[in-house]
Amino acid sequence: GQQLNQSPQSMFIQEGEDVSMNCTSSSIFNTWLWYKQDPGEGPVLLIALYKAGELTSNGRLTAQFGITRKDSFLNISASIPSDVGIYFCAGQLTDGGSQGNLIFGKGTKLSVKP
Amino acid sequence: NAGVTQTPKFRILKIGQSMTLQCTQDMNHNYMYWYRQDPGMGLKLIYYSVGAGITDKGEVPNGYNVSRSTTEDFPLRLELAAPSQTSVYFCASNSGGDYEQYFGPGTRLTVT
Repeated sequence: GQQLNQSPQSMFIQEGEDVSMNCTSSSIFNTWLWYKQDPGEGPVLLIALYKAGELTSNGRLTAQFGITRKDSFLNISASIPSDVGIYFCAGQLTDGGSQGNLIFGKGTKLSVKP
Repeated sequence: NAGVTQTPKFRILKIGQSMTLQCTQDMNHNYMYWYRQDPGMGLKLIYYSVGAGITDKGEVPNGYNVSRSTTEDFPLRLELAAPSQTSVYFCASNSGGDYEQYFGPGTRLTVT
């Protein structure tokens, strides 16, 4: 099936650091979504992107829809302890027949540096 | 609005047993989805529905069944549970195929 390559797989942060993660694919997407999942909870939508080149912010989070429509990145500025969790990218393909079905990356796990 | 609710939160099944995972949304969304999430993996689509009376298979439908008799409810049925179905199951919904999906809190299922 279709794949999204999300990186890094995991990262450690210190409070105040900026964080960057990305998703890439060989397929073209209509939509990119970024979700955050806390332990024992369902994913919560952070940012939705609908146009190539679009740059959207939500507080300290900024995400971009790549110009090629095959990638997206998420930045978190000045990280705080509650940013810890798993971040997923998800893309909707352009084929029109998927009824809005999303393809998910495997996630980036953000942890606090010991 | 409660959003998307799922029951139960946890369940342990023996091999060969069956059960139904419940999902309800109160946002009047037409589209509903069932995913499974395995450790270290993203979410895999099991089944989806674009409206009452309409369901279709996703990427990993084997061993599962669904029904959609109302807009609000989208139960997932496991027949003859197998250890490979040990996973966390998430239900999601949205108002249209090109809009953001909203997720429930999940059901953690263990089959032993």
